[in-house]
Amino acid sequence: GAGVSQSPSNKVTEKGKDVELRCDPISGHTALYWYRQSLGQGLEFLIYFQGNSAPDKSGLPSDRFSAERTGGSVSTLTIQRTQQEDSAVYLCASSLVEGMGGELFFGEGSRLTVL
Amino acid sequence: AQSVTQLGSHVSVSEGALVLLRCNYSSSVPPYLFWYVQYPNQGLQLLLKYTSAATLVKGINGFEAEFKKSETSFHLTKPSAHMSDAAEYFCAVSGGSASKIIFGSGTRLSIRP
Repeated sequence: GAGVSQSPSNKVTEKGKDVELRCDPISGHTALYWYRQSLGQGLEFLIYFQGNSAPDKSGLPSDRFSAERTGGSVSTLTIQRTQQEDSAVYLCASSLVEGMGGELFFGEGSRLTVL
Repeated sequence: AQSVTQLGSHVSVSEGALVLLRCNYSSSVPPYLFWYVQYPNQGLQLLLKYTSAATLVKGINGFEAEFKKSETSFHLTKPSAHMSDAAEYFCAVSGGSASKIIFGSGTRLSIRP
């Protein structure tokens, strides 16, 4: 497809389980972001991948959160030992940095519910 | 480091009235500034952006924003609100094209008939 694709769109899990969220960015986009959107909390920055540079992980809330980007394309956000406070919509966005001033193209998000 | 503050989590205006959504930023380098909009049950999309060209930026759907360095502000305005403008609006800042983009907490705009 032409846009950013995220899966699953909805995930319900039990507290303590691990979850993986996938993001397939727009082809050719070198930058990829993960954000978390909680009710009334806005968009919380999690992690930023830019080309072959080391990712900016400064937004990851704890060591239970990790992310990878394989081959400069698909990214996976992993949350280990999920907690109820992890419940949120996880948004992925990609950007073609050159000439676009960092405009982000967002996916529809993965809604995570931790019971 | 960058940060952005949106004043007012909820703004309500009458249809046809002026819309003013406030955004103040902090950046240690000349910033890029953005407004994104999220309509109900839809994904975020870019409304407009400032990238060090003209200080008054025009976006889609009649919105515009003015970059004021002296006030570190990038407020969003629209002269006449329409019912279809009801949405969540997010201000964002970046410290340059290779820098992460940080979002504010958002402002929900409601339009009264």
